[in-house]
Amino acid sequence: GENVEQHPSTLSVQEGDSAVIKCTYSDSASNYFPWYKQELGKRPQLIIDIRSNVGEKKDQRIAVTLNKTAKHFSLHITETQPEDSAVYFCAASRGSGNEKLTFGTGTRLTIIP
Amino acid sequence: GAGVSQSPRYKVTKRGQDVALRCDPISGHVSLYWYRQALGQGPEFLTYFNYEAQQDKSGLPNDRFSAERPEGSISTLTIQRTEQRDSAMYRCASSSQTGASYEQYFGPGTRLTVT
Repeated sequence: GENVEQHPSTLSVQEGDSAVIKCTYSDSASNYFPWYKQELGKRPQLIIDIRSNVGEKKDQRIAVTLNKTAKHFSLHITETQPEDSAVYFCAASRGSGNEKLTFGTGTRLTIIP
Repeated sequence: GAGVSQSPRYKVTKRGQDVALRCDPISGHVSLYWYRQALGQGPEFLTYFNYEAQQDKSGLPNDRFSAERPEGSISTLTIQRTEQRDSAMYRCASSSQTGASYEQYFGPGTRLTVT
């Protein structure tokens, strides 16, 4: 089955700096890669996703890049703000018809004011 | 509209008892998923449905766990003869297969504690 590894497990950055979280996956059939943000005591919420037919996607301060050959994808957050502090999870699935998500182990991001 | 809802939000039960966890997906969502999330970990897949059909139950830990979605809407996850190791947050998610969206919307979860 799919295995998703995520690094780092914790990350602290100064407010205004950028944060990068990296994930690798094992199943070459995976073609959908979402990122979820989970604040303390809350449910996971999708912040951005990418499919295998594109290499990069951006939404304001958040971007995701995908390298299918190397089987890795990354989350980039620019101009970080205190409200970006949360746990971030990457995930992978085969997409249409078999959409179960395999999650990474999470990255606790702390923004230092 | 309303998001995914789950009940109960908290459940404390004694070892050996059966529990039933309920998920009410977003109206009209075709797919419904069950995950289990241990503290500090990512959600772990248990099973999922398209309409009323259980498509994949490969993540259910053992035969004490079962799930159903008889009318293609509300789903129930049942754990029989609970054990302490079953203690976790159980999350439900739903998604629409309309258009090209794969997004899964998560519910608030049921925190299960087995004493």
